[in-house]
Amino acid sequence: ETGVTQTPRHLVMGMTNKKSLKCEQHLGHNAMYWYKQSAKKPLELMFVYSLEERVENNSVPSRFSPECPNSSHLFLHLHTLQPEDSALYLCASSQEWAGYNEQFFGPGTRLTVL
Amino acid sequence: EDQVTQSPEALRLQEGESSSLNCSYTVSGLRGLFWYRQDPGKGPEFLFTLYSAGEEKEKERLKATLTKKESFLHITAPKPEDSATYLCAVQAGGDMRFGAGTRLTVKP
Repeated sequence: ETGVTQTPRHLVMGMTNKKSLKCEQHLGHNAMYWYKQSAKKPLELMFVYSLEERVENNSVPSRFSPECPNSSHLFLHLHTLQPEDSALYLCASSQEWAGYNEQFFGPGTRLTVL
Repeated sequence: EDQVTQSPEALRLQEGESSSLNCSYTVSGLRGLFWYRQDPGKGPEFLFTLYSAGEEKEKERLKATLTKKESFLHITAPKPEDSATYLCAVQAGGDMRFGAGTRLTVKP
């Protein structure tokens, strides 16, 4: 595997379910990110981890819970979601956070909340 | 507050018809401006980073330029495979702020 991978690629869940999204980066980067992408809206930054420490939480509802067990893996735990949470969830990584460097994205997880 | 505005929202071109996409920004202390390409159902693919006004970068039919207030992505003689959404993002401080994108369609 190369680059940034995400699983699952598609997820349909009910409002009472609990599920997790997984991201893995094979680039040796130190920073990882979760974004939400809704139709015709800019990417919304949700969480940032640098060297496995959370550095930002942009007012995200508590029904989204991130976890970064090591510098290569990032999870997004989901519970009691709402239909408006349906979106494409993207994971990204970069060499450093707050550095002069680009972010590389995974293919995303298309989430549908019924 | 930092803002990134992309125009037009959508652009339809005939194959071979050159054009430009615009990304205007207001940000304090720009660290970098980034262009990405995103195909439907996929994650954004990195294209270019520009760091200072006057800088230009090229890749195949694409050329990105930067001024103090905006960036242009010039597409020369586009082909149908250039059809995608093009995203612009600026970085000032820690985070990237993205524009809403320009959806480009190139018809044969």
